[in-house]
Amino acid sequence: AQKITQTQPGMFVQEKEAVTLDCTYDTSDPSYGLFWYKQPSSGEMIFLIYQGSYDQQNATEGRYSLNFQKARKSANLVISASQLGDSAMYFCAMRAPGYNQGGKLIFGQGTELSVKP
Amino acid sequence: DSGVTQTPKHLITATGQRVTLRCSPRSGDLSVYWYQQSLDQGLQFLIQYYNGEERAKGNILERFSAQQFPDLHSELNLSSLELGDSALYFCASSLGTSGRNEQFFGPGTRLTVL
Repeated sequence: AQKITQTQPGMFVQEKEAVTLDCTYDTSDPSYGLFWYKQPSSGEMIFLIYQGSYDQQNATEGRYSLNFQKARKSANLVISASQLGDSAMYFCAMRAPGYNQGGKLIFGQGTELSVKP
Repeated sequence: DSGVTQTPKHLITATGQRVTLRCSPRSGDLSVYWYQQSLDQGLQFLIQYYNGEERAKGNILERFSAQQFPDLHSELNLSSLELGDSALYFCASSLGTSGRNEQFFGPGTRLTVL
């Protein structure tokens, strides 16, 4: 069965510094996708970045980058130049492989990031 | 704004009651997912529909049911409600179900069962 683990319940970072949020995953399927979502205190889920298991390069989207280490089964999110608005809960998720899974997402427990001014 | 709409935003009801949560996916998206977010269980997948047909099922209770209509909007029905059903219920939609097809989430319906 697929599983996502986020071992950091909470993290602090100083404004303008970079921060890495950890995510490890477990799957025996060679084809999978990994996602990061942000959930501010207002509650909505905002898509940040995607990494496919066959992608040769690490994904980047603006200030977000994904440090994808396939052999270690880790997909850490790096946020550069943190801003106060980055304070939120961050979820790592994996798309369950297989037609019968319908593309559902399996989420980790989340990491609450607080950016200090 | 993700383009996914959910109504109502908040719902307060009593144990034993039945409620219906409604979701309209983004224009063009054929796939609708329902997730439940609670403090103890985290974000859990409930059920998914693709173009009107049920495609995948998660840990959805028998008291819960869902459907997707011909216009692609979806409804999640929760019956015989219990205190433990209090949670934030998200609907998400996507164009496809594989690859980079990210799921766009609605604002959620916060259900409180008293």
